[in-house]
Amino acid sequence: DAGVTQSPTHLIKTRGQQVTLRCSPISGHKSVSWYQQVLGQGPQFIFQYYEKEERGRGNFPDRFSARQFPNYSSELNVNALLLGDSALYLCASSLRAEASYEQYFGPGTRLTVT
Amino acid sequence: AQTVTQSQPEMSVQEAETVTLSCTYDTSENNYYLFWYKQPPSRQMILVIRQEAYKQQNATENRFSVNFQKAAKSFSLKISDSQLGDTAMYFCAFMNPRRGWTGNQFYFGTGTSLTVIP
Repeated sequence: DAGVTQSPTHLIKTRGQQVTLRCSPISGHKSVSWYQQVLGQGPQFIFQYYEKEERGRGNFPDRFSARQFPNYSSELNVNALLLGDSALYLCASSLRAEASYEQYFGPGTRLTVT
Repeated sequence: AQTVTQSQPEMSVQEAETVTLSCTYDTSENNYYLFWYKQPPSRQMILVIRQEAYKQQNATENRFSVNFQKAAKSFSLKISDSQLGDTAMYFCAFMNPRRGWTGNQFYFGTGTSLTVIP
């Protein structure tokens, strides 16, 4: 079975622009979480979605938004990009939202804001 | 607010030896989960081991085991018989499950870079 996939792999944007990152979970997984990993730091939790509903939100500004589609894939949108948004964005999927279900991480999307 | 602290930015161990990575956390919650994740260079993050706070028994997974001290809010990872493939960044993580729709929260430490020396 395919693992978690993310697109694009790399992305370069200019300050002020908007970006959309995509994630496809493992087949059968209904929960998707998004993380931001700045170089040299641990991942920071952005959102968790389960059954198309937001189940968790980290301490990120409203410029960050996400949604989950009926096929459980997900998009992360970031508006008005800042230099500080440059990071590896990780997506993780799990069967359900509870912590007892293991999260499987994708390879990430490397976003560079210039 | 919950925080996770990993005080060892870098560690090294000889192949076949044992190494312990430290993690402390701060929370006022009684029910939570703790994790150790491994992120090899340029590869995807994978779960190493998970501990549920209400379980007193320390979790073990083959060569990996934890020392969970709830009162001290400490959660260390012991890797026995270290192998070259264990070289990676290791992250300690905390998950606070919430009831209803107030949302789950995940927190990661800053990581420990482990190098296994042949």
